[in-house]
Amino acid sequence: GNSVTQMEGPVTLSEEAFLTINCTYTATGYPSLFWYVQYPGEGLQLLLKATKADDKGSNKGFEATYRKETTSFHLEKGSVQVSDSAVYFCALSAEDQKVTFGIGTKLQVIP
Amino acid sequence: DTGVSQNPRHKITKRGQNVTFRCDPISEHNRLYWYRQTLGQGPEFLTYFQNEAQLEKSRLLSDRFSAERPKGSFSTLEIQRTEQGDSAMYLCASSIGTGAEAFFGQGTRLTVV
Repeated sequence: GNSVTQMEGPVTLSEEAFLTINCTYTATGYPSLFWYVQYPGEGLQLLLKATKADDKGSNKGFEATYRKETTSFHLEKGSVQVSDSAVYFCALSAEDQKVTFGIGTKLQVIP
Repeated sequence: DTGVSQNPRHKITKRGQNVTFRCDPISEHNRLYWYRQTLGQGPEFLTYFQNEAQLEKSRLLSDRFSAERPKGSFSTLEIQRTEQGDSAMYLCASSIGTGAEAFFGQGTRLTVV
């Protein structure tokens, strides 16, 4: 079946540090890939997405590139802020059409 | 439209009682999903609908769980004879089209005591 593997947290960074959260996937066909974010006390929100190989999704300074050859969709940000502290979920939607999530990576940014 | 709406936001129930949650999706979305999330875990798929048809139900889902979407609009999730292990956040999401992102509600937090 489809699955998403992402690095376990928590990840603790100082403000303005570079962020990478790794995500790899297993899926049939050509899935769409997503990063969702869950801020403390809030619901899941879509952060960015990519629907085909080599697409780059970007939003709020975050980027992720759909790499079919390595089945990866790593999340990056060049300079994190305290307000980026949240849990980040990598997810995919494949031929079965349901969205499958990774376990989430908690990011804590300290001033 | 204000997004996906879930009610109630919180529910505390005694073990053995039945509970029902409601989800109102974004109006033009034909797909509706139910997920369960426990602390420190990602959302776990429970079931999903395309319009009023329930297309898939997780094999891990107990027969005590049932979901309906009678007119292809709102949906209900019922848990019968609740157990302490059912305590979790129950999330509803909706989407439109193949490979599209899902939009989530705020969730219903269930506590079984």
